[in-house]
Amino acid sequence: DTEVTQTPKHLVMGMTNKKSLKCEQHMGHRAMYWYKQKAKKPPELMFVYSYEKLSINESVPSRFSPECPNSSLLNLHLHALQPEDSALYLCASSRDTGRTYGYTFGSGTRLTVV
Amino acid sequence: AQTVTQSQPEMSVQEAETVTLSCTYDTSENNYYLFWYKQPPSRQMILVIRQEAYKQQNATENRFSVNFQKAAKSFSLKISDSQLGDTAMYFCAFMEPPGTSYGKLTFGQGTILTVHP
Repeated sequence: DTEVTQTPKHLVMGMTNKKSLKCEQHMGHRAMYWYKQKAKKPPELMFVYSYEKLSINESVPSRFSPECPNSSLLNLHLHALQPEDSALYLCASSRDTGRTYGYTFGSGTRLTVV
Repeated sequence: AQTVTQSQPEMSVQEAETVTLSCTYDTSENNYYLFWYKQPPSRQMILVIRQEAYKQQNATENRFSVNFQKAAKSFSLKISDSQLGDTAMYFCAFMEPPGTSYGKLTFGQGTILTVHP
């Protein structure tokens, strides 16, 4: 298995809803990442998990809450989002943060906040 | 902070021809890593090629090759024999040495490449 799987592929949520994005990999990678990407813009780093511990939080608002229950799974819990949070959310993994083979990305979750 | 600049917002090329995408970066580090990623309309980011700064030899992957000029801080991507499936947005990306950034990637603004039949 050489994939990063993200679910759901599309999500529409209201500003008062609570939802979660899921990311899964079975490559034995120990670093996992959340990126946010607006249309025709580069991805922007949100969070880095290394060996299931949060290593980087790029000053992301608390309405985004990451969770890494085990080495294969990464969640992003969403609550009280704003319309400007609508974007493509990309998950990625790598062997570990100390190596530079590059990431494997998932195909993303397209989030629309209404 | 590191910055990555891609000066060509859009480019086009005829099928079977060669095209070069430009990328420059700014860093005070001596050891680092550079990448080109491709993002087709399907949205998935795909690693095209990687270069380690301490290696002078330019990386090559089939039809894709780079021209890495460390002193000039330039990292261009050459696509030979362009194919319709190469149509995508291409991002140049920079990564600091291991142990300093937890593997954080800094991306350029991207270049939209269209291959015409």
